[in-house]
Amino acid sequence: AIRITQSPSSLSASTGDRVTITCRASQGISSYLAWYQQKPGKAPKLLIYAASTLQSGVPSRFSGSGSGTDFTLTISCLQSEDFATYYCQQYYSYLFTFGPGTKVDIK
Amino acid sequence: QLQLQESGPGLVKPSETLSLTCTVSGGSISSSSYYWGWIRQPPGKGLEWIGSIYYSGSTYYNPSLKSRVTISVDTSKNQFSLKLSSVTAADTAVYYCIRAGSDAFDIWGQGTMVTVSS
Repeated sequence: AIRITQSPSSLSASTGDRVTITCRASQGISSYLAWYQQKPGKAPKLLIYAASTLQSGVPSRFSGSGSGTDFTLTISCLQSEDFATYYCQQYYSYLFTFGPGTKVDIK
Repeated sequence: QLQLQESGPGLVKPSETLSLTCTVSGGSISSSSYYWGWIRQPPGKGLEWIGSIYYSGSTYYNPSLKSRVTISVDTSKNQFSLKLSSVTAADTAVYYCIRAGSDAFDIWGQGTMVTVSS
């Protein structure tokens, strides 16, 4: 199975900050990578798919980049509603795998 | 718009079979454009893909659970189901049903907590 790592595992930031989260796959997955946001007690929400395509309705302050094995999620100007846990997930292989998550909390 | 809703027992005894159903509303489960699946999340932990079922009937399961998992579809009821046998406390989790197209898991149910305990 393709292993996914994320860094950092957590970070503290302030509203208005630019935040970057990294995801790395154990083998090349082209652009078959998605990013999800999860708030406590809620289901994850798809933010970005195909590594860089914004899901409908997602604010433009979210962006994704990368291909192959290395990917990033960037939040350009952190808002209060963005404090959450973020997961990346590969769908290159039918054996889908998620990263362990990055918790973004308030500094 | 399309919505998913999980249902099933919230408490299952060890060694028994966990059974959950996901009801699809606002759209047809028979669309060839999508597939369906289950994800789980133990308390305080990350997301684990359990398995998926495709329009063709093909199923794919997480190798770590494959011997205990069955996912099936009932098109007449617009539902799909999960069965996980021989459960232990390690199977305690929130279980989500999902829809996926070619673009990852775009629709999630609200999730249902299942506790394995005697």
